[in-house]
Amino acid sequence: AQSVTQLDSQVPVFEEAPVELRCNYSSSVSVYLFWYVQYPNQGLQLLLKYLSGSTLVKGINGFEAEFNKSQTSFHLRKPSVHISDTAEYFCAVSRYNTDKLIFGTGTRLQVFP
Amino acid sequence: NAGVTQTPKFRVLKTGQSMTLLCAQDMNHEYMYWYRQDPGMGLRLIHYSVGEGTTAKGEVPDGYNVSRLKKQNFLLGLESAAPSQTSVYFCASSYFEATNYGYTFGSGTRLTVV
Repeated sequence: AQSVTQLDSQVPVFEEAPVELRCNYSSSVSVYLFWYVQYPNQGLQLLLKYLSGSTLVKGINGFEAEFNKSQTSFHLRKPSVHISDTAEYFCAVSRYNTDKLIFGTGTRLQVFP
Repeated sequence: NAGVTQTPKFRVLKTGQSMTLLCAQDMNHEYMYWYRQDPGMGLRLIHYSVGEGTTAKGEVPDGYNVSRLKKQNFLLGLESAAPSQTSVYFCASSYFEATNYGYTFGSGTRLTVV
C-alpha cells in the first residue's frame, strides 16, 4: 500500500523568504501526486498535481513542485511567500487505476511579517 | 454551481445518538469518498464507493456505515456516536478523463460528540 510522509509538521518563515515543504511517498507502482492547501476553517483547495510528463509542475499562487521518482519525493516550493500563504498544506498520492487518495499528516506554514 | 455539497455543515450530537451526513455531487462522477480530518493526522479515508450500489472500507471504517443508492449521493451514517468521532468530515468525488484525473472536495461537516 502507498503512504505519504510530510516530515515537517510546522514551518515558520518570514515574509518574502523562500520556502520548501517536503513530501515523500512510498509505492510499488507509479503514482499521481497532489498538493492541497487548507486555510483556517475552510475546505481543501488544489494547489497542483502531477499526473505525467514534465516533472516540474506549476500551480496556483506561485507554488511549484518537482516530482523526483528516484527519491520518491514531491516537494512544494515558493520563491517568496506572503502573509496570506499561512495555511496547512497537504501532500497526497493515489495509484494508477485506483481510486483512493492517501494524505500526509500536513505541514502548517506560518508566515511572519 | 457544480460541485460537491455536504449537509449539514455543523452538528452537535450526544453520545449514543445516530445521524446521517449527506454528500451530493452533480458532476456525474463515479467515485465518491468520505474522509475525516483530525489535528496532526491529516485526512483519513473512512469509506468509499466506485459506483452506484457499491461501497468499500477505507483506513478507519469502524463505527461508520455508508450507502450509495443513487450515483449522485453518498451517505455516511453514525449508528451510535462516540466522542472519538468528533471530527471534521469531508466528502469528495473523483473523475478520470483521458489524461486528466482529479478530485473535488466538499466544504466539510464539523461534528462534535459530547
